[in-house]
Amino acid sequence: AQTVTQSQPEMSVQEAETVTLSCTYDTSESDYYLFWYKQPPSRQMILVIRQEAYKQQNATENRFSVNFQKAAKSFSLKISDSQLGDAAMYFCAYRTWNSGNTPLVFGKGTRLSVIA
Amino acid sequence: GAVVSQHPSWVICKSGTSVKIECRSLDFQATTMFWYRQFPKQSLMLMATSNEGSKATYEQGVEKDKFLINHASLTLSTLTVTSAHPEDSSFYICSARGLSNQPQHFGDGTRLSIL
Repeated sequence: AQTVTQSQPEMSVQEAETVTLSCTYDTSESDYYLFWYKQPPSRQMILVIRQEAYKQQNATENRFSVNFQKAAKSFSLKISDSQLGDAAMYFCAYRTWNSGNTPLVFGKGTRLSVIA
Repeated sequence: GAVVSQHPSWVICKSGTSVKIECRSLDFQATTMFWYRQFPKQSLMLMATSNEGSKATYEQGVEKDKFLINHASLTLSTLTVTSAHPEDSSFYICSARGLSNQPQHFGDGTRLSIL
């Protein structure tokens, strides 16, 4: 079974600075998806960024980018120019390529605080 | 984008009552729906997976008779917490997906408080 590990329970960053959240995963599959979700205090799950494992190019979405290292099974999230609204829980998630009924597998999350 | 509507967003009820939570996909057909439970400051814990017209598949440790899941149509799934007790108080989130290669979309969650 696949597992997702987020080794940083809490992180903090100064406003306008850059922060990197770590995520590693374990799988025997060669094709899969990886995601970062944001959960603010409202507890809504918001998709931040998605990466297909077959793509070598790292995904980017505005201030959010990932460093996908397939051989190392690492998928870190970089937030540039951090804003107060970025404060939230961030979950890394894995999904099998041919998903069928297979759900997302979540890490335990990293709580990000943004300091004004 | 795809929208999943979940309601109620917050419910408070007495111990022993049953509570139904609805999850609707508003602009796509949800082939598969997932129900999660989340305790404070913890990750999402998968409770069950359901396909339209089929019985739900429950995760180990989740009581089928306590948490009844019905996925009667391609746009609606319900979770009924039967004879709820204080230990069932939690945040419940539904999620829906269309085709297998499509993203999983989340409802806004239901905060359940059992007195």
